[in-house]
Amino acid sequence: SQTIHQWPATLVQPVGSPLSLECTVEGTSNPNLYWYRQAAGRGLQLLFYSVGIGQISSEVPQNLSASRPQDRQFILSSKKLLLSDSGFYLCAWSGLAGGRSYEQYFGPGTRLTVT
Amino acid sequence: DAKTTQPPSMDCAEGRAANLPCNHSTISGNEYVYWYRQIHSQGPQYIIHGLKNNETNEMASLIITEDRKSSTMLLPHATLRDTAVYYCIVRANNAGNMLTFGGGTRLMVKP
Repeated sequence: SQTIHQWPATLVQPVGSPLSLECTVEGTSNPNLYWYRQAAGRGLQLLFYSVGIGQISSEVPQNLSASRPQDRQFILSSKKLLLSDSGFYLCAWSGLAGGRSYEQYFGPGTRLTVT
Repeated sequence: DAKTTQPPSMDCAEGRAANLPCNHSTISGNEYVYWYRQIHSQGPQYIIHGLKNNETNEMASLIITEDRKSSTMLLPHATLRDTAVYYCIVRANNAGNMLTFGGGTRLMVKP
């Protein structure tokens, strides 16, 4: 079966510090990968998606970036965090290996607080 | 992707059926209706999806009107653990498979 991991689960970082959040998927190959952000009390906002290694599409201009160094690894980064970067960051994958194509399966999330 | 309209909140008694409506009047012919839910502080969970026929799985049933402009997701016997925000999303199955989440319906299941 497929599993998706995110770490860390929670993070408190000062303004201006760098960020690196990691997401890995097991049990599938060539997944589509996604990063979402959910601000407190708000809906989910798609930040980035990737259909393959090194292929990143950005949905929202911001001070965040994403990379996909390996097939099942997706990294969200920032060089300098802003207060507005606080939120719940979710990684998701979709693909045919799940038996039902096209659904997205979400990880447990990382709760980031920028102070 | 077409937009959806859902009531912001609903209550349901434990053990009763929960019927969550969704309007998607501008849905295109190749767009599916997806339902996800998000329990507090967790990632969204896939529930069910359909194109034009009614669908049923172990979690829920999806009833899509003949004109496909609206749908209802049915939880047959709601439990307290079904308290969550439920999102109705319409999307074409394409290479990106991206989801656009709206505000959803906050379902409160009460004892």
